[in-house]
Amino acid sequence: NAGVTQTPKFRVLKTGQSMTLLCAQDMNHEYMYWYRQDPGMGLRLIHYSVGEGTTAKGEVPDGYNVSRLKKQNFLLGLESAAPSQTSVYFCASSPWWTSYFEQFFGPGTRLTVL
Amino acid sequence: AQSVTQLGSHVSVSEGALVLLRCNYSSSVPPYLFWYVQYPNQGLQLLLKYTTGATLVKGINGFEAEFKKSETSFHLTKPSAHMSDAAEYFCAVSDKTGTASKLTFGTGTRLQVTL
Repeated sequence: NAGVTQTPKFRVLKTGQSMTLLCAQDMNHEYMYWYRQDPGMGLRLIHYSVGEGTTAKGEVPDGYNVSRLKKQNFLLGLESAAPSQTSVYFCASSPWWTSYFEQFFGPGTRLTVL
Repeated sequence: AQSVTQLGSHVSVSEGALVLLRCNYSSSVPPYLFWYVQYPNQGLQLLLKYTTGATLVKGINGFEAEFKKSETSFHLTKPSAHMSDAAEYFCAVSDKTGTASKLTFGTGTRLQVTL
């Protein structure tokens, strides 16, 4: 079991460029989440999904879009990157029967927007 | 709305000393509470969790936490710090409303362990 994997691990963008972050999980989990981590602010929820084909907004959704076309994948897109989106992005997943109990996290993607 | 406050963004202890990381929460419903640890350049790993039942929860690596409803606290402790405990620790509370839990995290406490 690889658990939760994220691609890429690092990325540098220029302002206005677009990119997609890929999250994959091999645990057959129903729920998936995208967070961003900024110094002194902990982790904040961007978007989440309760199943294939469904997505919902979290605490800080502006400037991001997501898609969950396959149960095992959750994509986070930045259409026009801004320096304020420089952050470390974490994906997480959880099975529905323990959705209130624990989320399993990926290793993170460090994104810098110049 | 729920929230988590972690007192102290940095805590330094000597190896072998008691570790105490403080977490206070605010929740309108009985909470589920978590402590996660993040080692450098890694993702978050669950240390322990409180859902229901026994208020003293034991986790991995010798850590434990006690849920105190009257104090709205969930402080993390370890009797004897080890160098390998140096990491960032996050307290989180789960929103049990809706169809998926959404974790609200504290701002984190970085633990430094010195010789």
